[in-house]
Amino acid sequence: RKEVEQDPGPFNVPEGATVAFNCTYSNSASQSFFWYRQDCRKEPKLLMSVYSSGNEDGRFTAQLNRASQYISLLIRDSKLSDSATYLCVVNRDDKIIFGKGTRLHILP
Amino acid sequence: SAVISQKPSRDICQRGTSLTIQCQVDSQVTMMFWYRQQPGQSLTLIATANQGSEATYESGFVIDKFPISRPNLTFSTLTVSNMSPEDSSIYLCSGWDSNTDTQYFGPGTRLTVL
Repeated sequence: RKEVEQDPGPFNVPEGATVAFNCTYSNSASQSFFWYRQDCRKEPKLLMSVYSSGNEDGRFTAQLNRASQYISLLIRDSKLSDSATYLCVVNRDDKIIFGKGTRLHILP
Repeated sequence: SAVISQKPSRDICQRGTSLTIQCQVDSQVTMMFWYRQQPGQSLTLIATANQGSEATYESGFVIDKFPISRPNLTFSTLTVSNMSPEDSSIYLCSGWDSNTDTQYFGPGTRLTVL
């Protein structure tokens, strides 16, 4: 079992819809959590950190459930520019572990 | 935030040769890492580059194949040795800033081995 697992993609979603990504991690010693975004042929870039209390940044909401070892990302009112691969990332003992990513296509 | 540059940005190499990729960070970062990303796949950590000492390699990666240097806090190199077509991939350098708990990535080096 992989240490970080994500929903398989791709997700094809009409513009304006709400999209939810899920991620689970296997090591309870994991300390911090992130969502990264990677555009085609580009390097990953930090989208947002994920905190236990949940956090929101505009149309993006991230949640963490440590008991279930589960992380989520919600994108509201999706835009064409949201099309990318979304990577769930976990920091365990200063080792950064990436999920495989979920590809999102926003359809006009 | 940190800005990371890599060179070369891409290269096409013959099998059996070696390529050294350079990574430069514009500010000091706590840790530096080297990743590999094959088409359609996520990032796989190769090693953590340690300043002034041997890198820490992940399972499946060895120093003889991927020697790494980090002479100071802002610079590192990764060499892909005795290349084969299976080494064709994108190699990404990253730096982690513990103050902001943020990881930054270089633009990657696209390597093709013929």
